[in-house]
Amino acid sequence: QVQLVQSGAEVKQPGSSVTVSCRASRGTFDTYGIDWVRHAPGQGLEWMGRIIPIVNIVKYAQRFQGRLTITADKSTATAYMELNSLTSEDTAMYYCARDGSESYWGRGTQVTVSS
Amino acid sequence: DIQVTQSPSSLSASVGDRVTITCRASQGIRNELGWYQHKPGEAPKRLIHGASNLQSGVPTRFSGSGFGTDFTLTISNLQPEDSATYYCLQRNSYPWRFGQGTKVDIK
Repeated sequence: QVQLVQSGAEVKQPGSSVTVSCRASRGTFDTYGIDWVRHAPGQGLEWMGRIIPIVNIVKYAQRFQGRLTITADKSTATAYMELNSLTSEDTAMYYCARDGSESYWGRGTQVTVSS
Repeated sequence: DIQVTQSPSSLSASVGDRVTITCRASQGIRNELGWYQHKPGEAPKRLIHGASNLQSGVPTRFSGSGFGTDFTLTISNLQPEDSATYYCLQRNSYPWRFGQGTKVDIK
C-alpha cells in the first residue's frame, strides 16, 4: 500500500511563494507520475500538472504556466509543487496523487493566502 | 486543449434510485477518462478508470461506460453515503482536465 505524505498547512502573504511536498512511503516512485490537484472554496477540482520522475517529464495546466514548478527528488521519493506570485485566489487545498492501475492520494495541504 | 463538459451540475435523488452523470469531451479521448468522488474534508477517491474499469474496493453499484467523446457514470441503488461531488477527468492528452462536477444530494 502506497502512502503519499504531504507537508503541513501554510499561510502566505500575497505575492509570495509556497512549496508543498509529497513523499511516497513505499513502492516504486519514479516510474509513476505524480499529479497535483487543487480544490478552492466553492470551486471544482483543478488539475495543475504532473511529473514523471523516471523520464523527468513535467506538464502544466496552461493557467499556471510561468508560476508553477513541479520537481521530484528520486533519492527521497518526494515530489514538490512550488507556486509563485500568490493571490487570494490561490487559497485552496492542494493534493498530490499517484494514479496508475491503483489510485493513491495525499491527505491534502491547506494553503491560505492572506495579508 | 480538450474541453470537458459535465452534466448535470447537481441532482437530488432518493435512496435506491439510479442516477446518471455524463461527461462530454470536445474531441475523442478513447477511453482515457476517470471518475472521482469527493466528499468534504476528504481526498478525492477514484471510482472508475479507463472509462469503465471499477477501482478495487469500490461498490459494484458504481459503473462507467463510454468511448471517444461521451461518457457516463451510473450509480445504481443510491445509498446515503453516496452524497458527494463527482468529477470526470480526461487524461488522454495534456493538459488533463476535470469536468465541472456534479453534486449529488440524497433526498
